[in-house]
Amino acid sequence: NAGVTQTPKFRILKIGQSMTLQCAQDMNHNYMYWYRQDPGMGLKLIYYSVGAGITDKGEVPNGYNVSRSTTEDFPLRLELAAPSQTSVYFCASRPGQGRAGYTFGSGTRLTVV
Amino acid sequence: DQQVKQNSPSLSVQEGRISILNCDYTNSMFDYFLWYKKYPAEGPTFLISISSIKDKNEDGRFTVFLNKSAKHLSLHIVPSQPGDSAVYFCAASAMIKAAGNKLTFGGGTRVLVKP
Repeated sequence: NAGVTQTPKFRILKIGQSMTLQCAQDMNHNYMYWYRQDPGMGLKLIYYSVGAGITDKGEVPNGYNVSRSTTEDFPLRLELAAPSQTSVYFCASRPGQGRAGYTFGSGTRLTVV
Repeated sequence: DQQVKQNSPSLSVQEGRISILNCDYTNSMFDYFLWYKKYPAEGPTFLISISSIKDKNEDGRFTVFLNKSAKHLSLHIVPSQPGDSAVYFCAASAMIKAAGNKLTFGGGTRVLVKP
């Protein structure tokens, strides 16, 4: 039972480089989310999706893009990395029904230098 | 505008004693509240939740209290154990289907339980 799998676990990017953070879940959850956690801060929502083909912005979407072509995958794309995007990124998912809490992945620690 | 606040960034408690974590919210549309626990280098894990129709929910050593009029909730851990040392996040959501039932998180409280 893998749950939510995030890759890579760590990455160092140079300013201006691009990368995709991968997120996959095997629980057939409709809802998926991307959060970032800055040092000493809570989690802030970047983007979310309520189903394949449907995405929407969260609180801090600037500098990021997402897609949701399948129920299982929800990749997060950074096009032009900036030092302000240094953070730990968490992907999460939940069933579409009820008020169940999220299942989180273990995170991707990204440093932009 | 921080809609969910945890005003104590850290808490130190002796093993066996009670840990009390506090959380305040401002959005009156929030109707469901959750606590998550996070160990270093891991993702947050769900701990306990409470609906706004209740004022208390208990699960083993963990109890969450909700005071809607004060827009305040608290998590009690009794008795505290060294394995409870972690960061605890309070989170809230409003039942708006179109909004994806997004969770809004507080800044977290780091708990250290001393043996």
